[in-house]
This record gives sequence, C-alpha cells and structure tokens, in this order.
Amino acid sequence: GESVGLHLPTLSVQEGDNSIINCAYSNSASDYFIWYKQESGKGPQFIIDIRSNMDKRQGQRVTVLLNKTVKHLSLQIAATQPGDSAVYFCAENIGGSNYQLIWGAGTKLIIKP
Amino acid sequence: KAGVTQTPRYLIKTRGQQVTLSCSPISGHRSVSWYQQTPGQGLQFLFEYFSETQRNKGNFPGRFSGRQFSNSRSEMNVSTLELGDSALYLCASRLDASTNEKLFFGSGTQLSVL
Repeated sequence: GESVGLHLPTLSVQEGDNSIINCAYSNSASDYFIWYKQESGKGPQFIIDIRSNMDKRQGQRVTVLLNKTVKHLSLQIAATQPGDSAVYFCAENIGGSNYQLIWGAGTKLIIKP
Repeated sequence: KAGVTQTPRYLIKTRGQQVTLSCSPISGHRSVSWYQQTPGQGLQFLFEYFSETQRNKGNFPGRFSGRQFSNSRSEMNVSTLELGDSALYLCASRLDASTNEKLFFGSGTQLSVL
C-alpha cells in the first residue's frame, strides 16, 4: 500500500458490469484497512473499511475482501454505474499507538457506456 | 452537520513567498490531518493535530508547519515556496486520533507556485 508515484493504474469497466480494484499492502502487522473514492475536484470520500480479524465485509453495492496470507485487499463494486468513475485509494493502519494510515497510489476507474 | 471546510479553494503564489491554508473540521472532531496530493506522488501525509498538539508528522521539510486552535480549527503554513510545492492540500478530520476512526476530507486547497 505504499504510495510509489509513477503513473496511476487504470481500470476500464463496462457500465453494469462488476468492478474489482486490487491493492497490495505492505505490512503484515497492519490491523485496519480502508477504501476511499475520490471524484474529480473533490476530496477523498470514505467507502468501506475492514479490520484484520475479518476477511470480508459488505456494504451497499461494495464488498471488501482481505487476504492476509498474501497481503492483498480488494474492492468489488457491483453493477458499476457512471457515478462510480473516480480514483480509488486503499489505505492501511500499521498499528501501534499512532494509528496512522499508509496510502496506496490509487486506481482510476473508468466506466464505459 | 457541515463537512470539513477548507479555505481558500485556489491559491496562486510565487517562489519564495509563504502561504497559510485554513481548515475547519466537522463539529465535534478533535483531530485534524493534512495531506499533500500530487499526480505523481499520491497522498502524502504532512501532520496530524489533536487537542492543539502535533501528534504525528510526515517526512516533509521544516518549511511545512501547522497548528491547531482550541476550537479544533487548523492552519498549515508553507514558507519559502518552491515550484514543487504546487499541489492539492487536503485536510481531514476525525473524532479521535487514538482509534481507527475514519477520516473525513475537505475538498482541498489547490496551490500553484509560479
């Protein structure tokens, strides 16, 4: 989940299809994970979070899956809509007393009509 | 309940100048964090304030500073501006700094340094 710069990964999905956005996190001690959505010209907006004692959590049209064995996090969006077009960020809390989030570089989701 | 408010929305400065950005958190939130966002580097943590004290600090030079007031409002200051400081500066608030509380972001201040 470290922000490493370079070009923003892009995912193109047909409207109505399901989207899966992946994130590899960096620290096996991380105990909390969160997804944010950032639309153009706006600040990031909370989507869903998950604690390390869970491997799946569902929200409205979104599901987050956590695989601690391979340090992988994914966000699934069902029946993708044009309003889902945005950059999606994952972040991890590496634990300890600081509760500080480490952010991924982001994935740009483009919805094709 | 009003969201996180950042002012100004846009700012244009020249190299060598200094700038102060303002953030009003959601009512009741006592923690305020600042982030720098650039197309090439993503979201970079600057610092977090809680109850007027800096709780965490990212890896930025001393030209970047901040403070928090008793009403939880926060300001960040950048002195001796450089071209590379051009970025979107985001403020985020949360209830508490010591638990996994989710962050609520403002729309940011877009700073352009010429």
